[in-house]
Amino acid sequence: GNSVTQMEGPVTLSEEAFLTINCTYTATGYPSLFWYVQYPGEGLQLLLKATKADDKGSNKGFEATYRKETTSFHLEKGSVQVSDSAVYFCALSSQGGSEKLVFGKGTKLTVNP
Amino acid sequence: DTAVSQTPKYLVTQMGNDKSIKCEQNLGHDTMYWYKQDSKKFLKIMFSYNNKELIINETVPNRFSPKSPDKAHLNLHINSLELGDSAVYFCASSHRGGSNEQFFGPGTRLTVL
Repeated sequence: GNSVTQMEGPVTLSEEAFLTINCTYTATGYPSLFWYVQYPGEGLQLLLKATKADDKGSNKGFEATYRKETTSFHLEKGSVQVSDSAVYFCALSSQGGSEKLVFGKGTKLTVNP
Repeated sequence: DTAVSQTPKYLVTQMGNDKSIKCEQNLGHDTMYWYKQDSKKFLKIMFSYNNKELIINETVPNRFSPKSPDKAHLNLHINSLELGDSAVYFCASSHRGGSNEQFFGPGTRLTVL
């Protein structure tokens, strides 16, 4: 079945540091890939997505590129802020039929001033 | 003008009780979902409805019964609550299609004593 493997946290960085959170997936066909973010005490919000190979999703300084050859969708940000502290989830959704999101285990990011 | 709302936000109850969680979306979406987030933050799909019709049931015990009175509502009823049901339950909605963003509610934290 479909699955997502995400780097284990927690990750602690200083403000303005570079962030990478690794995500790889296993899926049949051509899934859509997502990064969702969960701020403390809140529900999930879509951060960015990519729906086909070589697409780059970007939002709020975060980027991720859909790499079919390495089945990866790593999240990056050049300079993190304290307000980026949250739990980040990589997810995939298959096309057609079941559109459920399959999530990675989440990576907790803490950014210190 | 909350997009996806859930009630209650917190629910504390005794083992063996029956409880319901309500979800409403005002985004005009045709598909709604219930996800369960355990104590380790792992998120997993439980159910999905499209136009009031069940399309996903992920081997959830039949003590859990979703009900969709119309496209804008998907309620979750749980019978004979067990300790292991303690979790945060998230409702979500989207337009049908695997590439579409799912919008999440704020979550309901269920604690079974």
